[in-house]
Amino acid sequence: GENVEQHPSTLSVQEGDSAVIKCTYSDSASNYFPWYKQELGKGPQLIIDIRSNVGEKKDQRIAVTLNKTAKHFSLHITETQPEDSAVYFCAARSDYKLSFGAGTTVTVRA
Amino acid sequence: SQTIHQWPATLVQPVGSPLSLECTVEGTSNPNLYWYRQAAGRGLQLLFYSVGIGQISSEVPQNLSASRPQDRQFILSSKKLLLSDSGFYLCAWSRDPMNTEAFFGQGTRLTVV
Repeated sequence: GENVEQHPSTLSVQEGDSAVIKCTYSDSASNYFPWYKQELGKGPQLIIDIRSNVGEKKDQRIAVTLNKTAKHFSLHITETQPEDSAVYFCAARSDYKLSFGAGTTVTVRA
Repeated sequence: SQTIHQWPATLVQPVGSPLSLECTVEGTSNPNLYWYRQAAGRGLQLLFYSVGIGQISSEVPQNLSASRPQDRQFILSSKKLLLSDSGFYLCAWSRDPMNTEAFFGQGTRLTVV
């Protein structure tokens, strides 16, 4: 089955700086890679996703890149703000299943 | 628009008691439905998924079971809870199983005492 690894597990950044989270996956058949943001006590919310036929996607301050050859994908948040503080999860879909990374706790320092 | 409802939000149950968590989806038909468990400080583990009424696939052997009595209803159950069943349970749905996003409910915090 699919195995998704996510790094780092915690990330502290100064407000206005960038944050980068990296994930690797094992199943070359995976073709859909979403990123979720989870605030305390709530369910994860989709923030951006990328499909296997695309190398990069951007939505305002958030961007995701995908390298299918190396089987890794990354989330980039620019100009971080305090409201970006949350747990972020990457995931990879293979067959019916979304397999998740262990999560990154991002703290934006004011 | 589509919405997903999950309840209760929190639950404290004694060891050995039964469990029933319910999830319903509105605004779509024939959704793919999922139950995930999130242990403290860890990622989401897929427990069950369903592509249609009465069709349940289990991902990991465990003390839990799932049922889908109606198209947009997904239930997570246990006959006798264990301490290790404590966690944050999340229901999710997607339009098709292969290439679209999954939308999550708000979760149920289960504490088995």
